[in-house]
Amino acid sequence: LAKTTQPISMDSYEGQEVNITCSHNNIATNDYITWYQQFPSQGPRFIIQGYKTKVTNEVASLFIPADRKSSTLSLPRVSLSDTAVYYCLVAPRSNDYKLSFGAGTTVTVRA
Amino acid sequence: GAGVSQTPSNKVTEKGKYVELRCDPISGHTALYWYRQSLGQGPEFLIYFQGTGAADDSGLPNDRFFAVRPEGSVSTLKIQRTERGDSAVYLCASSLQGAGANVLTFGAGSRLTVL
Repeated sequence: LAKTTQPISMDSYEGQEVNITCSHNNIATNDYITWYQQFPSQGPRFIIQGYKTKVTNEVASLFIPADRKSSTLSLPRVSLSDTAVYYCLVAPRSNDYKLSFGAGTTVTVRA
Repeated sequence: GAGVSQTPSNKVTEKGKYVELRCDPISGHTALYWYRQSLGQGPEFLIYFQGTGAADDSGLPNDRFFAVRPEGSVSTLKIQRTERGDSAVYLCASSLQGAGANVLTFGAGSRLTVL
């Protein structure tokens, strides 16, 4: 599985846009990029997944450049309830169970 | 059910005791997974079931850990002779095969504390 590197923590304020960049220099051709969100005392929750270019859903946007060696999760206009740990995962479609989460990025949103 | 249900939510036990943790996956999800999360770390894979059989148990740390899923639905993670190092949150997840790569639905976890 490709190794990922993401910041340990980020601070933001309500209403701001938060961008978390994940590096995955050794991503393989058949790897997908997946982001999970975890609130305290809860299990991780799938947010978004992409292979290339841009993916957007009701929660976030995922930007993936052409070389796919990094990706950026964008959370628009965050609120206090977006305070959580965000995990970037890289794995092939065939490996849909043995996920490698790493330590994630702790995002703290302040009023 | 609507989500993945795990019981108990909290379990405190003494070193050397036997513990069972239960997972009730989303109805119809054929795949079931157990992960373990230590404080400040991301979840780590333990075991994966496809139906009743363990397709991959390579993440189980040693032979004190065992999991079953006899009818292809509810699963039980069993830990024998618990040690203080077993203290962690044990997460269960399930997925609908073919619904999408790497998309798992997790439960809230069972927090195990071994004194």
